[in-house]
Amino acid sequence: AQSVTQLDSHVSVSEGTPVLLRCNYSSSYSPSLFWYVQHPNKGLQLLLKYTSAATLVKGINGFEAEFKKSETSFHLTKPSAHMSDAAEYFCVVTLRSGGSNYKLTFGKGTLLTVNP
Amino acid sequence: GAVVSQHPSWVICKSGTSVKIECRSLDFQATTMFWYRQFPKQSLMLMATSNEGSKATYEQGVEKDKFLINHASLTLSTLTVTSAHPEDSSFYICSARADALGGNQPQHFGDGTRLSIL
Repeated sequence: AQSVTQLDSHVSVSEGTPVLLRCNYSSSYSPSLFWYVQHPNKGLQLLLKYTSAATLVKGINGFEAEFKKSETSFHLTKPSAHMSDAAEYFCVVTLRSGGSNYKLTFGKGTLLTVNP
Repeated sequence: GAVVSQHPSWVICKSGTSVKIECRSLDFQATTMFWYRQFPKQSLMLMATSNEGSKATYEQGVEKDKFLINHASLTLSTLTVTSAHPEDSSFYICSARADALGGNQPQHFGDGTRLSIL
């Protein structure tokens, strides 16, 4: 079985300070990992993805994540938070479920608040 | 690119009516589409997976006759909540994936539909 653990349900930072959202996974296979962001009453937007190429993945809006196999982690970072970054963030791992029917396994989400 | 349009964004209706939600991939062909349900302050719960031209695969505990899914083309899937009741009120989100481009393609999500049953 595969699973995703987002270690913090809520992270609060000040504008202009670094952001760290933590994610650990377990997987029987080499995983593909994603970070999605969800603003209130909106769907999910893909921030970045790891699919067994470079371990440091750069995404949109200045976010990046590093795949560390030895630590089974895929933490999301940003050097300087902006007010518009306030949202819910989901770490996601693919789960193969019969044939080519890949499913997503979602973490429970981390709410990021950014204080002025 | 990779835009998924979901309509309507908000529905309020009386108990007992049926509600149809559309999900369209605007600039790519979606061989696989997914329907999720999200309760307040919770993660997404997969309801069903649909492949174009075949029957949807429902997750355990999801009523097939309650939540009818049709995926008649590579750009359109619909979810119909039949005889909706207040407990069906939720945020429904669709997503689409272009499997023809190879394995582990990301899913692209619509903006969701807020369903409120009175």
